[in-house]
Amino acid sequence: NAGVTQTPKFQVLKTGQSMTLQCAQDMNHNSMYWYRQDPGMGLRLIYYSASEGTTDKGEVPNGYNVSRLNKREFSLRLESAAPSQTSVYFCASSFEPGVLYNEQFFGPGTRLTVL
Amino acid sequence: GNSVTQMEGPVTLSEEAFLTINCTYTATGYPSLFWYVQYPGEGLQLLLKATKADDKGSNKGFEATYRKETTSFHLEKGSVQVSDSAVYFCALTVNTNAGKSTFGDGTTLTVKP
Repeated sequence: NAGVTQTPKFQVLKTGQSMTLQCAQDMNHNSMYWYRQDPGMGLRLIYYSASEGTTDKGEVPNGYNVSRLNKREFSLRLESAAPSQTSVYFCASSFEPGVLYNEQFFGPGTRLTVL
Repeated sequence: GNSVTQMEGPVTLSEEAFLTINCTYTATGYPSLFWYVQYPGEGLQLLLKATKADDKGSNKGFEATYRKETTSFHLEKGSVQVSDSAVYFCALTVNTNAGKSTFGDGTTLTVKP
């Protein structure tokens, strides 16, 4: 099992460009999440999908959109990148909500720089 | 709302020293508690977990006990190694919250030989 995979691993964008970060999991998890990690700010939830076909805003959704393409895949789109979106982005997945021991499994991250 | 407060870092220790990283929480409902570890350049991975009061989670020599009375889940290790250098995150999940986790800000540990 590959677990949670993310592409690309690194990306440099110019202000105003758009891009989509891809995430896939092969653990048959229902829930998937997108976080950003900035120095000194821990992890902040951008969007999540509790199950296939549903998405909800997290703590910092402005400037992002998501698509839960199917049970395996959950993509994050930046429509018009800004320097404030320079960050490391992590995708995660977990079993269905309400399950005890519901830990999250993380991908390796995408390091995004917006110039 | 839910929140997790971790001991501020960075923490620097010599090899074989005793480690404690404090974590306290507030939660609506009955949370499960987790410690995650992030090695340089990698994503977070689960280190240990506990789901009810007085449960002790343990893994790789690390331990943490779920203390409901003090709303704490402190991470300890008796003798740290250079390879334990990483960022440690305390987190909680409440079952009524769509599976979302609340994370602390992370504590950076550096172990020197």
